[in-house]
Amino acid sequence: SAVISQKPSRDICQRGTSLTIQCQVDSQVTMMFWYRQQPGQSLTLIATANQGSEATYESGFVIDKFPISRPNLTFSTLTVSNMSPEDSSIYLCSVYRGTYTEAFFGQGTRLTVV
Amino acid sequence: RKEVEQDPGPFNVPEGATVAFNCTYSNSASQSFFWYRQDCRKEPKLLMSVYSSGNEDGRFTAQLNRASQYISLLIRDSKLSDSATYLCVVNPEGGGSYIPTFGRGTSLIVHP
Repeated sequence: SAVISQKPSRDICQRGTSLTIQCQVDSQVTMMFWYRQQPGQSLTLIATANQGSEATYESGFVIDKFPISRPNLTFSTLTVSNMSPEDSSIYLCSVYRGTYTEAFFGQGTRLTVV
Repeated sequence: RKEVEQDPGPFNVPEGATVAFNCTYSNSASQSFFWYRQDCRKEPKLLMSVYSSGNEDGRFTAQLNRASQYISLLIRDSKLSDSATYLCVVNPEGGGSYIPTFGRGTSLIVHP
């Protein structure tokens, strides 16, 4: 199993500002992901956070908007940059140990941009 | 075609009813399968794994049909507390992609 601490749990931010979300895992994991989930919608993968190298972004997401750090195998951050109301969403970090294992999620960060 | 497809619902059923959800997947080499439950404004959490032989956990039964590439979740004697979104998850075969693939979820509403 894995215990994930994600913070902040929620925030209300002004447009044009940036927010950094942190994800701390209680054990080393190779694969860590960042997802976005808009109200009533499914999970959308933003990127895979790679330890020691640049994150791998999915189509529609770019590093300038969502810079990600992964300094070690237990920690990652996602920054939502230059926010607009369209960025209002729940952001979730997730870890995964391999094919026959389950994915674990942080508690989510509920972001509202005003 | 999406990799994992689910009927989004909502399924609106009375307490005590039996309800079934299906999920189809496109990658025939997929190796493992799961059902997750997501409550409103919460993160997804594992409900049960889906084994080739099928598995049961109390009121919940999961089945896998590899030939037709779908998995199912059956909930018997529905409770009000079963109201949630149920996500189907398919894990890759371990070769190329290594990212679990989530369906969009099926919403269940159990009413008195």
